[in-house]
Amino acid sequence: GIQVEQSPPDLILQEGANSTLRCNFSDSVNNLQWFHQNPWGQLINLFYIPSGTKQNGRLSATTVATERYSLLYISSSQTTDSGVYFCAVIPSWGKLQFGAGTQVVVTP
Amino acid sequence: DVKVTQSSRYLVKRTGEKVFLECVQDMDHENMFWYRQDPGLGLRLIYFSYDVKMKEKGDIPEGYSVSREKKERFSLILESASTNQTSMYLCASTEGDYGYTFGSGTRLTVV
Repeated sequence: GIQVEQSPPDLILQEGANSTLRCNFSDSVNNLQWFHQNPWGQLINLFYIPSGTKQNGRLSATTVATERYSLLYISSSQTTDSGVYFCAVIPSWGKLQFGAGTQVVVTP
Repeated sequence: DVKVTQSSRYLVKRTGEKVFLECVQDMDHENMFWYRQDPGLGLRLIYFSYDVKMKEKGDIPEGYSVSREKKERFSLILESASTNQTSMYLCASTEGDYGYTFGSGTRLTVV
């Protein structure tokens, strides 16, 4: 099946810092999404981004489908950004497949 | 915005009980999914449904069944709950391959 690799696995940030999370995938995909899982377990959709660049407030994402990777940028991080960030892809033949996630901790 | 509602945030059930996890979406989506999430194993697909009364097995269907009698509702059934089914259960819906929307999750503990 398709491999979805996220890096880094863990990230500790001081409030106000910027960071980049990466997602590599091993095959062509129809869709890519970034999710944030909050401490209560809910998966919040951040971006639906099969290609190109999108921005939403302090967050932005870029997917380069031809090179099979996506980046999630967090700028001016806040403690509420803490949680696990998941990249998930839909290959042409299957259903949503998740990466292992990046655990982000933002300290005051 | 699409809303996906899971009926319980926390459940505690006894081994051998029949357990129903309910999921309702309000956007007339064709596709609905059940995942479970476990530490170290990530999110794994249990079952999904393309339409009313249709169901497909995901990666880990053993010990589970599903029911979709109405388009907006997708139920996950544990016929005889076991301790290895203690997990976080997440329901999602989507139209085609567009963005998936997840419910808030149900933390099930089987004792």
